[in-house]
Amino acid sequence: EILMTQSPATLSVSAGDRLTLSCRASQSISTNLAWYQQKPGQAPRLLIYGASTRATGIPARFSGSGSGTEFTLTISRLQADDFAVYYCQQYHMWPPVTFGGGTKVEIK
Amino acid sequence: EVQLVESGGGLVQPGESVTVSCVASGLTFGNAAVSWVRQAPGRGLEWLSAISGFGGDTYYADSVKGRFTISRDIAKNTWYLQMKYLRADDTAVYYCAHAPGGFGELSLDHWGQGTLVTVSS
Repeated sequence: EILMTQSPATLSVSAGDRLTLSCRASQSISTNLAWYQQKPGQAPRLLIYGASTRATGIPARFSGSGSGTEFTLTISRLQADDFAVYYCQQYHMWPPVTFGGGTKVEIK
Repeated sequence: EVQLVESGGGLVQPGESVTVSCVASGLTFGNAAVSWVRQAPGRGLEWLSAISGFGGDTYYADSVKGRFTISRDIAKNTWYLQMKYLRADDTAVYYCAHAPGGFGELSLDHWGQGTLVTVSS
């Protein structure tokens, strides 16, 4: 099973900040990685797939990069609507598909 | 508009069974796959199972293999997750989600709102 590790667990930031979230895979997953955003009481929303392709309707301030074992999600200018929990997910070698533990982005 | 709507959750006694359903609209499934993912209260996301579009191939996480069964009724655009021998640690919100790329690209682009299953006596 491929273990996905996200860091940090919590980030305290201000609106307007540039934000970089990290996700590490326990073995190479090529670019078979997705990022999701989840707000309280809501289902996850797909942001990025294939490590760097934005999903339909996702603003350009969200970008993904990386390959192999190291990945990042960058939010260029954080908006109030972006405070949420972010999860990475690998689908390179499955079952099982595995998710990271999440990074909570909160207001400083 | 794409919609996935789950139903069938509720309070279940330990050891009992329940089947949750997911009805899809606005999607042409074709080669797409459907996954079930759960989230225990205050916890992260856990993938449970997936079923392919055409062939109906199925896969499971080890944590639920032998207890959970994924199935579909294409004519009704409905997917199911039958859960048996439920335990307290199965308490979670259960989501169905659509993978447009099928088994070759299992990112999940549409999710239902989730249905809560609570296992308690």
